[in-house]
Amino acid sequence: NAGVTQTPKFRILKIGQSMTLQCAQDMNHNYMYWYRQDPGMGLKLIYYSVGAGITDKGEVPNGYNVSRSTTEDFPLRLELAAPSQTSVYFCASSWRDTEAFFGQGTRLTVV
Amino acid sequence: AQSVTQPDIHITVSEGASLELRCNYSYGATPYLFWYVQSPGQGLQLLLKYFSGDTLVQGIKGFEAEFKRSQSSFNLRKPSVHWSDAAEYFCAVGESGGFKTIFGAGTRLFVKA
Repeated sequence: NAGVTQTPKFRILKIGQSMTLQCAQDMNHNYMYWYRQDPGMGLKLIYYSVGAGITDKGEVPNGYNVSRSTTEDFPLRLELAAPSQTSVYFCASSWRDTEAFFGQGTRLTVV
Repeated sequence: AQSVTQPDIHITVSEGASLELRCNYSYGATPYLFWYVQSPGQGLQLLLKYFSGDTLVQGIKGFEAEFKRSQSSFNLRKPSVHWSDAAEYFCAVGESGGFKTIFGAGTRLFVKA
């Protein structure tokens, strides 16, 4: 059972480039989330989804977009990358009212 | 507003010593409370959770936590720390019937021989 799979694990982007962080889960969870983790700041919610076709903004959505066409996949799109988006990104999934299962993370550097 | 405070940025304990990591929360409704652990380069793994019932909850790896409503606290404890417990620990609070979880800033645990 793979759980939550994120790709890539590492990426370096130049300012202004775009990319998509992939996230897939095989637990049939209805809820999925994207967080970013910055040193000393804990995890901040970027976007979340409560089911296929339904997404909503979290605490820090600016500069990101998401889609949820299937239950399994929840990609995060960065348009016009900026140095402030240098971070570690975590995808997670859960059933309602239960704990979240996290992927291994994607370490992104924007230079 | 909902918030989670972990007062200690980092803690160092000797192997075999006891451990207590502090967590305080501010929440208007009945909270769901979690402790997660993150090893270097890894994602977060759930240690334990409190939804209702017995206020002392047991988790994996010998950890336990106690919910104290009067103090708005959910401190994590372990009677004897092992070197493999060195990691970052996050307290989190969620809402009953909801899905948005707020995470604390984390406490990094160092274990010395």
